[in-house]
Amino acid sequence: KAGVTQTPRYLIKTRGQQVTLSCSPISGHRSVSWYQQTPGQGLQFLFEYFSETQRNKGNFPGRFSGRQFSNSRSEMNVSTLELGDSALYLCASSLELAGGGNEQFFGPGTRLTVL
Amino acid sequence: GENVEQHPSTLSVQEGDSAVIKCTYSDSASNYFPWYKQELGKGPQLIIDIRSNVGEKKDQRIAVTLNKTAKHFSLHITETQPEDSAVYFCAAGRTGGGNKLTFGTGTQLKVEL
Repeated sequence: KAGVTQTPRYLIKTRGQQVTLSCSPISGHRSVSWYQQTPGQGLQFLFEYFSETQRNKGNFPGRFSGRQFSNSRSEMNVSTLELGDSALYLCASSLELAGGGNEQFFGPGTRLTVL
Repeated sequence: GENVEQHPSTLSVQEGDSAVIKCTYSDSASNYFPWYKQELGKGPQLIIDIRSNVGEKKDQRIAVTLNKTAKHFSLHITETQPEDSAVYFCAAGRTGGGNKLTFGTGTQLKVEL
C-alpha cells in the first residue's frame, strides 16, 4: 500500500511570492492534516480537511490556506511568503474512525526555503 | 489551548540500556496520545499510541504509560539498538474533534555502541 506522498519535495522561493504544496493521502483515507515543522517552533498544526471541508484550524495567519478535493488529495497555499515561512511542511492522512483521534500517517514533507 | 511539554530534549544511552522519555499535557479533555519517531530527512512515523481508557500499552521493546490524574505519559524503550537513534515526539489529541495533534518539542535519542 502506497504511503502519503507530497510534492514537490524541495522548493525555493523568494519573499513576496506564493507557493502551492500538494499531498496525496493513503488510499481510502479521507482526513488530511497539515503541519509546519521548524527548529524553533517544532511541529505546529496548520489545518485539517475531511470530506472537502476544513474541520480544524491552527493559529496561523490567513496567508496560509488549504483545500481538499473529492479524491481526498489536498493542497496548501502560502501567499506573500516571508523568511519565517521557511520550514518543512508535513502532510498526514488518517482513516476516519469515530470522529477523530485516529492514527495519522505522515508523508516525507516538502522543504520550503524562502530567500 | 493544549500544551505538551517533553523531557529530556536530548538523551544518550548505551546499546542495550533502556530509554525513557516523559511528556505532560495541559488539556484534561485530551484522550489520545501517540508517539512518533522521526529519522533524518523523513516524516514522523507512528510507533505506538495510547488512549485514555488504558494505563499502559506494550509493543515488543516499546511501551507507553499514561497517568490521567497527573496528565503525564511516558515512552519506554528497552534493549536499545543503534537503529533506535532518532528524534522522538509525543503528542496529544482528542477523539471526536478531528485529528488535530499538539506535539511536544522532541527528544533526540542517541544510542551509542
